Amino acid sequence: EDQVTQSPEALRLQEGESSSLNCSYTVSGLRGLFWYRQDPGKGPEFLFTLYSAGEEKEKERLKATLTKKESFLHITAPKPEDSATYLCAVQAGGYKLSFGAGTTVTVRA
Amino acid sequence: DAGVIQSPRHEVTEMGQEVTLRCKPISGHDYLFWYRQTMMRGLELLIYFNNNVPIDDSGMPEDRFSAKMPNASFSTLKIQPSEPRDSAVYFCASSRQGQYEQFFGPGTRLTVL
Repeated sequence: EDQVTQSPEALRLQEGESSSLNCSYTVSGLRGLFWYRQDPGKGPEFLFTLYSAGEEKEKERLKATLTKKESFLHITAPKPEDSATYLCAVQAGGYKLSFGAGTTVTVRA
Repeated sequence: DAGVIQSPRHEVTEMGQEVTLRCKPISGHDYLFWYRQTMMRGLELLIYFNNNVPIDDSGMPEDRFSAKMPNASFSTLKIQPSEPRDSAVYFCASSRQGQYEQFFGPGTRLTVL
């Protein structure tokens, strides 16, 4: 069974304090790894898809990287509006995604 | 384009009542997914459809849950009878054939008293 573990569970940052979130996975035949952002009371919002080890994607202050066992979401110089829960998901077969529990990021001004 | 539309946004009902949640996927998307999110279990896939046909319902918790997709622009998730442990946020998502990114609706927050 696919397993996705995200760490830490919660992360409190000062504005401008860069940090990284981790997503480790156990899956047979990874087809894709996905990052989503979820704000309170809203549905997950798609951020990135990574398909192969070594791949990187960037969007504003966010950068996602992928290795054979884990993915990192780097937040550079975060702002309060980056506060959210970040979810990682893996796709092994078909169109099913298995989600991790998420990392809740709080950025203080 | 409009995103995934779900209704109602909030539902409060009493144990034993029937609950129907509704979803309209993004136009042109071939796949539709129903998820449930709770603090304890996170985001769980319940069932998904391809071209209106159920493909995998292994996540449906029990026979009290059923889902239908009568056409490409509408799906329902029904719980009958509802129980307090069904309280959760239910999300609908859709994706396009050949593209694996799923796009989520705003969710329905269900409370069963």
